[in-house]
Amino acid sequence: GESVGLHLPTLSVQEGDNSIINCAYSNSASDYFIWYKQESGKGPQFIIDIRSNMDKRQGQRVTVLLNKTVKHLSLQIAATQPGDSAVYFCADTGNTPLVFGKGTRLSVIA
Amino acid sequence: GAVVSQHPSRVICKSGTSVKIECRSLDFQATTMFWYRQFPKKSLMLMATSNEGSKATYEQGVEKDKFLINHASLTLSTLTVTSAHPEDSSFYICSAMGTSGQETQYFGPGTRLLVL
Repeated sequence: GESVGLHLPTLSVQEGDNSIINCAYSNSASDYFIWYKQESGKGPQFIIDIRSNMDKRQGQRVTVLLNKTVKHLSLQIAATQPGDSAVYFCADTGNTPLVFGKGTRLSVIA
Repeated sequence: GAVVSQHPSRVICKSGTSVKIECRSLDFQATTMFWYRQFPKKSLMLMATSNEGSKATYEQGVEKDKFLINHASLTLSTLTVTSAHPEDSSFYICSAMGTSGQETQYFGPGTRLLVL
C-alpha cells in the first residue's frame, strides 16, 4: 500500500556540521508534506512543511527539499546543535490521519 | 499559535482502575482529533480518529470498549482507558486538525501512563 518511510534509522553528526535526513514516499498523489521533530518524552513538534508545487522551502536553520520525480524529500539542518538531537519523522498529509514511519534518530556529537 | 495540551502529563494507577486523558486545542477549533500510542523507541501508532459530535473511528485491533473516546466540543477530546492493565502502560499522544481545512496536525505533549 501507499506508505511513507525513512531511509536511515540513525544519524550521528558533529556539532556545527550540517545534517541531512531523508524520506521516501510512495503516494504519487501526495501534495503536502510535513517534518516533525520528537524529543524524548515529548510529543512531535511541527518543524516545516512543503507543498508539491514547491521544490524547496527554507525556515530558520532548516530546509526541506522535495523531489517529486523520485518521490523523495529531505530535511537539512544547518549548523547542527545539541538541541537538535531527536527523532525526526516525515509525514504525508495525502493520508489523513498521518502515517508515520519509524523516524530517523539524530544524535549530535559535541 | 496551534497549541495542543494534554492532561495529565503523567499518571500512575492501579490495575483495574480507569484513567481519563484530556486533549485540548488551546487557540483553534479542532473538528478532528487523533489519538496515538507510542512504545519506547517505536513510531507513533494511530489508535483512533475522534470527530466532534460523532462516534470515534477506531483502527483495527484497538478495542473501542477499552479505549473510550469522547469529543464533546471543538476544543476537547478525552481518552479513557478502562480497567487498565500493565500492558496498557504507554505514552499516549493526541493531535488536532483545525476546522478551516488546514491539513497540518498539531500534537500534544503526550501523557505517560504507568499501570501497576
